[in-house]
Amino acid sequence: QVQLQESGPGLVKPSETLSLTCTVSGGSVSSGNYYWSWIRQPPGKRLEWIGYIYYSGNTDYSPSLKSRVTISLDTSKNQFSLNLSSVTAADTAVYYCARVQTANWFDPWGQGTLVTVSS
Amino acid sequence: DIQMTQSPSSLSASVGDKVTLTCRASQSISTYLNWYQQKPGKAPDLLIYAASSLQSGVPSGFSGSGSGTDFTLTISSLQPEDSATYFCQQSFTTPWTFGQGTKVEI
Repeated sequence: QVQLQESGPGLVKPSETLSLTCTVSGGSVSSGNYYWSWIRQPPGKRLEWIGYIYYSGNTDYSPSLKSRVTISLDTSKNQFSLNLSSVTAADTAVYYCARVQTANWFDPWGQGTLVTVSS
Repeated sequence: DIQMTQSPSSLSASVGDKVTLTCRASQSISTYLNWYQQKPGKAPDLLIYAASSLQSGVPSGFSGSGSGTDFTLTISSLQPEDSATYFCQQSFTTPWTFGQGTKVEI
């Protein structure tokens, strides 16, 4: 059974870079059957897809975040990571990692990690 | 971007009631529509994928239907553990987008 777990700082200062890692267990990020994705949920708001990475390294990002986002893969550690630069208070959210299945549904999800942007 | 609109925003119903939630897409998405259940402080769980396919392990009281722009999630007999927020998500094209959610209270 595949499980995902997010890790990283819970507090980031404005203008700095938010960095999170998702560790995958019970499955491989090198599998060609899935994408690996990041999603966030600002307090009281709807879920927002950030982007995904494929085992080949190919990525796709939300246009609204594309200029600030990088998603990368570390197959040796079975992890994928999110970097979001130049953060503001609007980037405060619970960040989830998730596996993307065949026709682009998310399952499973990590438990989520709250990242607050504040000085 | 494809906009997803759910209705109602919240509802209150009794145990045993049949509950229907709706989700509308701003353009046709065929059956590329998924439903999730989220309980407070938890990650969303997949309930229905491809509009009407029940995810393994999900109780048979949940069902989904629709195609094009209009979709429904039905709970045939509401149970106390069904108290949660339900989100729809279109997977037709990126950026994949979510509805604002329907909060179901018992």
